[in-house]
Amino acid sequence: DGGITQSPKYLFRKEGQNVTLSCEQNLNHDAMYWYRQDPGQGLRLIYYSQIVNDFQKGDIAEGYSVSREKKESFPLTVTSAQKNPTAFYLCASSISGSGNQPQHFGDGTRLSIL
Amino acid sequence: SQQGEEDPQALSIQEGENATMNCSYKTSINNLQWYRQNSGRGLVHLILIRSNEREKHSGRLRVTLDTSKKSSSLLITASRAADTASYFCATDARSSGDKLTFGTGTRLAVRP
Repeated sequence: DGGITQSPKYLFRKEGQNVTLSCEQNLNHDAMYWYRQDPGQGLRLIYYSQIVNDFQKGDIAEGYSVSREKKESFPLTVTSAQKNPTAFYLCASSISGSGNQPQHFGDGTRLSIL
Repeated sequence: SQQGEEDPQALSIQEGENATMNCSYKTSINNLQWYRQNSGRGLVHLILIRSNEREKHSGRLRVTLDTSKKSSSLLITASRAADTASYFCATDARSSGDKLTFGTGTRLAVRP
């Protein structure tokens, strides 16, 4: 079954700690995205990557970092510089980075502060 | 910034009734997409409509697009309890370089 796998499902961060959220896809998609969703809100774009070894900042990149060393993997690190990290994080992919392609989503990671 | 705003924020209907959700946006778009999100899950793509299209159908879903009013509507006919979810519109605008911008969503509850 092709799809996107996010892990872990729940994650807790201590003060001053960096945490990494995993996102893997086996859809052979070129483009991958990270979104943040706060309660009752829409999705806000953190980072996106249209091709391996390249990525761009989205609307709310401060306090986050990413890498794209492999086509199928796009991990997100929430650094200690992100002062309000509690949210639901969603990873998505699409065939290309064009806006005329649907995005396929994983089931999210819920991050909370200890 | 939010490009799309859904209306209403919440909607409660009886099974079998139709549900209509609206999305308004601010700048000229290339395409508009609708997604569904079940509680605690990821989004699922429903339908994409291009700026030169006015109406699209997929099963019980009907989407319209009025570019002169900068608005779209999603109609779900003969709703079922399984349609209970949040529904989001997402636009890619010429000004945002192909990136999708999501609205705040409509929470739909279908009562059995």
